Amino acid sequence: GESVGLHLPTLSVQEGDNSIINCAYSNSASDYFIWYKQESGKGPQFIIDIRSNMDKRQGQRVTVLLNKTVKHLSLQIAATQPGDSAVYFCAEKGGRRALTFGSGTRLQVQP
Amino acid sequence: GAVVSQHPSRVICKSGTSVKIECRSLDFQATTMFWYRQFPKQSLMLMATSNEGSKATYEQGVEKDKFLINHASLTLSTLTVTSAHPEDSSFYICSARDHQVTYEQYFGPGTRLTVT
Repeated sequence: GESVGLHLPTLSVQEGDNSIINCAYSNSASDYFIWYKQESGKGPQFIIDIRSNMDKRQGQRVTVLLNKTVKHLSLQIAATQPGDSAVYFCAEKGGRRALTFGSGTRLQVQP
Repeated sequence: GAVVSQHPSRVICKSGTSVKIECRSLDFQATTMFWYRQFPKQSLMLMATSNEGSKATYEQGVEKDKFLINHASLTLSTLTVTSAHPEDSSFYICSARDHQVTYEQYFGPGTRLTVT
């Protein structure tokens, strides 16, 4: 069936470096994408979203890039901090469908 | 911002018993609520979609007689795990959609169910 997947299960970076987390999606009908951060034992926390009519969106220290041609999504975190350590999920949806989540990437920030 | 709460946050029950999890939208009306399940080190998997006043729609492989969903009001949905078994132990997360904003889907903090 349709799925959203990630290339890297674990990403380890040094504090202060930039982090890039990637995601591939397969449903070409998806028109809305979100990145979530999930800390242990907690629900997903919204980070940033992007609609399919855009290819880039910036927030505070985070940037999401969308490449619809190759169905690829990425999350860039600038100046990664220890508090950024968590599991990151991309999610996609189209129309009124529920969000479908990717498999997740664990980000480990080394002090 | 929109807040979704879940109760309880943690529950331990014996095998064979039933347990009910509540999901509430605190400051908005949710015509649609979603229930996800997350096993350790895995992603969130959609179990069912619940529309206020109508029967829930279950994803393939999810037993509707085992996971009873009731969405009786615009602010409350409940998930009842009937005759729970150890393999039902998981993190259950609900999500609610504001009926006035098509895209926005807000998540609760999750409920950790442990079946002994």
